[in-house]
Order: sequence, then C-alpha cells, then structure tokens
Amino acid sequence: SQKIEQNSEALNIQEGKTATLTCNYTNYSPAYLQWYRQDPGRGPVFLLLIRENEKEKRKERLKVTFDTTLKQSLFHITASQPADSATYLCAERAAGNKLTFGGGTRVLVKP
Amino acid sequence: DTGVSQNPRHKITKRGQNVTFRCDPISEHNRLYWYRQTLGQGPEFLTYFQNEAQLEKSRLLSDRFSAERPKGSFSTLEIQRTEQGDSAMYLCASTTTLGFQNIQYFGAGTRLSVL
Repeated sequence: SQKIEQNSEALNIQEGKTATLTCNYTNYSPAYLQWYRQDPGRGPVFLLLIRENEKEKRKERLKVTFDTTLKQSLFHITASQPADSATYLCAERAAGNKLTFGGGTRVLVKP
Repeated sequence: DTGVSQNPRHKITKRGQNVTFRCDPISEHNRLYWYRQTLGQGPEFLTYFQNEAQLEKSRLLSDRFSAERPKGSFSTLEIQRTEQGDSAMYLCASTTTLGFQNIQYFGAGTRLSVL
C-alpha cells in the first residue's frame, strides 16, 4: 500500500533563508499531491496542490516540485519568516478524494 | 460562512464511557471527512460522506465507532466504550466535488482524552 514519508526531524532555519522539506512516496505515483500547514491545536490549512504531470507550482513565497523519477515532492519556503513556523504536511489525494498524509515536518524559523 | 466548525473542542472522559462529536461543514460542501490525528503524526482517514451517504470506512474504524450525516448537513462521530487508545485529535473536513481541486477545509478538531 502507498506510504507518504516526511522527515520527522524538525527543521531549524534562520529568518530569510530558504526552507526545503521532502515528501517521498513508496509505491505508485499520486495523481495529486497536496501540501498543508498545521499550527498547534488547529486543523491543517491547504497551501498548494501539484498534479503528477506538473513539475513545479508556485504561490507567493512557496514552491512545490514533483519528481516522479525520484518518487519525491519538495516544498520550499523562500525568504522564511518566524510566522512560517509550523508543521507542514504532505498528502496524497486518493480515490474519493480522501487524503493520505505523511507524518509532517516541523519548521522553526529563528529571527 | 465561518468555515468548518467542530464541537466540543476538548473532551475528557473516563474509559468505558460513550462520547459524541459534532461537525458542521461549510454549507455548500457535499462531502464530509473524518480523520484522527495522534501526537507527532499526520491525520489518518476514518470515513467520509457524500451528502447523507457514508461511502467509505477505514479499517481503523472499529465497531465501537459510528458516524452519521443525517440530511447531508452536520455529521456526528460516536465512540462507544472508549479506550485509552482512542485519545487523539478528531478532525473533520469538508469539500465540494465541483471543479477538480476538491480542496478539503478542516475544522479545528476535537481533542479527546480518555482517562
């Protein structure tokens, strides 16, 4: 069965630098990968969706890439700010639009 | 439109008691999902509805769990005879099947603690 894997180790980064998060999938290539942000005690908030046939998607300071050869998606936060500190979740959208999430990566941006 | 609303936000119960959570989705959304999230993990799918029909249930959803969505509006998730392993955040999400993006909008969750 498909597993979505993210680095469970927290990412500490200096303000202004680019944070890069990794999402790997183990089996078939998902038709859609989605990235969500989750703050403590809150539900996930949708950020970006990338389709299997898209190599890159951007939204403001966020960029997502999809590499079917490496079975990987990368999520970049450029010019990071302390307000970007949160947990970022990668998810495959499967049949019925249900989401299979990775474990999330916590990002801490230090001033 | 105030987004997806979940009540209560927190529930503390004793092992063996029954609990019920409520989710009010975004009004025009026809699909509603329930997920469970434990500390340090991503949300795990439990079940989903299209309108009032429950279309899929995860194997995570034991016989003690039941969900309903009468009239295709709000949904309830009931856990009978709670166990300590049920302690988690229960998240509800809704979406519309119009268009291709089908973005799921999540509520703030109900945190369950079973003592």
